[in-house]
Amino acid sequence: DQQVKQNSPSLSVQEGRISILNCDYTNSMFDYFLWYKKYPAEGPTFLISISSIKDKNEDGRFTVFLNKSAKHLSLHIVPSQPGDSAVYFCAASPDLNGQNFVFGPGTRLSVLP
Amino acid sequence: GAVVSQHPSRVICKSGTSVKIECRSLDFQATTMFWYRQFPKQSLMLMATSNEGSKATYEQGVEKDKFLINHASLTLSTLTVTSAHPEDSSFYICSASSGVYKNEQFFGPGTRLTVL
Repeated sequence: DQQVKQNSPSLSVQEGRISILNCDYTNSMFDYFLWYKKYPAEGPTFLISISSIKDKNEDGRFTVFLNKSAKHLSLHIVPSQPGDSAVYFCAASPDLNGQNFVFGPGTRLSVLP
Repeated sequence: GAVVSQHPSRVICKSGTSVKIECRSLDFQATTMFWYRQFPKQSLMLMATSNEGSKATYEQGVEKDKFLINHASLTLSTLTVTSAHPEDSSFYICSASSGVYKNEQFFGPGTRLTVL
């Protein structure tokens, strides 16, 4: 049973437009959420995080929104750039130390020039 | 940011041999290291968590005698795949965290293991 779901395996967006990546989770004990970006043959790199006491966190072009009642979070990238093309993993943890992560299956984002 | 390296980046071996993968934190002391495995088009699956100087904690379904983990120092953890078989072929990624970067794990670049 997948505790963290990313239902869109892939997404294509035109350069300059907004990219919205979605993530749903089933475990109500999750309190800390992260997004990772992964290029082929490389390890994931941390992008942005949010704890359950917030509903929004912004860092430059990246904003993460959390809807705890719906057990849903999303990552917005605006404006999207070709260099954003990668696989994006959503990860969740039950503790604010954020060490016991459960990862989603990832969404492949392609930003078209 | 903190840097984690893995060696080798790619290894091809014959069935029945053992393969050792090293994970090093280059510029910080990693109190905890994690080993993940990724199958094609699937999420990262946590295999085990290790703290320096103590035995690793394995996730359910991961054979500890098959995947030997040693976290001998604050900068080095090794994963040894013993008697590897073709079904062990996968992408193995380590990550490290420390008290300084409490909320973050820093990932290595991964090791592609192919067992013939």
